[in-house]
Amino acid sequence: QKEVEQNSGPLSVPEGAIASLNCTYSDRGSQSFFWYRQYSGKSPELIMFIYSNGDKEDGRFTAQLNKASQYVSLLIRDSQPSDSATYLCAVKDGNNRKLIWGLGTSLAVNP
Amino acid sequence: EAGVAQSPRYKIIEKRQSVAFWCNPISGHATLYWYQQILGQGPKLLIQFQNNGVVDDSQLPKDRFSAERLKGVDSTLKIQPAKLEDSAVYLCASSFSNPGLAGGYNEQFFGPGTRLTVL
Repeated sequence: QKEVEQNSGPLSVPEGAIASLNCTYSDRGSQSFFWYRQYSGKSPELIMFIYSNGDKEDGRFTAQLNKASQYVSLLIRDSQPSDSATYLCAVKDGNNRKLIWGLGTSLAVNP
Repeated sequence: EAGVAQSPRYKIIEKRQSVAFWCNPISGHATLYWYQQILGQGPKLLIQFQNNGVVDDSQLPKDRFSAERLKGVDSTLKIQPAKLEDSAVYLCASSFSNPGLAGGYNEQFFGPGTRLTVL
């Protein structure tokens, strides 16, 4: 059973701090990794995609991928109350046919 | 560009009744997904279509759930008969690129979802 694991949280950080969200996956053949954000009562929306080992930065968001250790993380710098949401990690399986989703980590940014 | 459309947005039924959900993907998107999301959990893939063919339905409870995408565009998901544990949000998503491409960037765009309550 291919799995994606996330700490459910809630993760609570003060405004302006760095929020660090982690995700581990079991399928060593996975090559594509996604972070989706889901506000309460809304649908998921893609915020980061990463394919290569290392870091990928987009504004205040940085995704980090380590395929040898099978983990992917999301860093949110200068966290804002508007970042309060559930962050879902999704990993494309090694057959490249479907996404395996984590349960999500709830993030609360306190003013 | 119009997004993924779903209807209805909300549905309340009694157990053992039937219900159907409709989804219209973004124009040109060949891949369509139906997910079930129970409160506090991540999305669970029920079925994935590539055009009008089924790519994956391994987690679809086929004794009560069915889905079709006859013309390769819009899709319907049906539950018959519904159980209490089917209460969830049913999300439809679509993507443009071939999900079979290695490293493919197939961003999934989600519709607003249908919140189903089974009493």
